[in-house]
Amino acid sequence: GQQLNQSPQSMFIQEGEDVSMNCTSSSIFNTWLWYKQEPGEGPVLLIALYKAGELTSNGRLTAQFGITRKDSFLNISASIPSDVGIYFCAGQGGNTGKLIFGQGTTLQVKP
Amino acid sequence: NAGVMQNPRHLVRRRGQEARLRCSPMKGHSHVYWYRQLPEEGLKFMVYLQKENIIDESGMPKERFSAEFPKEGPSILRIQQVVRGDSAAYFCASSPGPTRHKETQYFGPGTRLLVL
Repeated sequence: GQQLNQSPQSMFIQEGEDVSMNCTSSSIFNTWLWYKQEPGEGPVLLIALYKAGELTSNGRLTAQFGITRKDSFLNISASIPSDVGIYFCAGQGGNTGKLIFGQGTTLQVKP
Repeated sequence: NAGVMQNPRHLVRRRGQEARLRCSPMKGHSHVYWYRQLPEEGLKFMVYLQKENIIDESGMPKERFSAEFPKEGPSILRIQQVVRGDSAAYFCASSPGPTRHKETQYFGPGTRLLVL
């Protein structure tokens, strides 16, 4: 079945640093989504990408849909303590709309 | 996850009991997805429903699990005769329905099921 590899698994950075994480897939996706999850809560949508090559920003977050449609990255600039959480990529490829999730990147920010 | 409601938020069951998890989608959304998340893992798709129809249940275990989304009322994920391995967080997501390349899902806060 379809699988997503997300890296890195975890990051511990200093406040103010930039962060980059990415996902790669063994198959093509039509849509890439990036979510953030905090303890005890559901995933919150950060950025949605619908077209190969698309580069989209949401405040300090920037994400791109890879040209091959098999990868995506998320960048966070000038990190702040409230960026702490688990970031998930998710791909959507079939006709039914189900999402395939990466394993998550745990981000910790040191003030 | 604004707007998608799930209840209960926490559910404790003993082995062999039944668990019923409820999901009310965002206003105007007619498509519901259920996902399961084990500790330290990503979410795994279980089932996709529209009103009164199951569209894709490829992620549902073959036994003890069922889901419905009736014409009136919330979507229900039902687990019969629960076992310890069913302990997980169960998330519901909703979307307005597939338009061209824009089927975006919004998640509820989840139900944490603990089987003793």
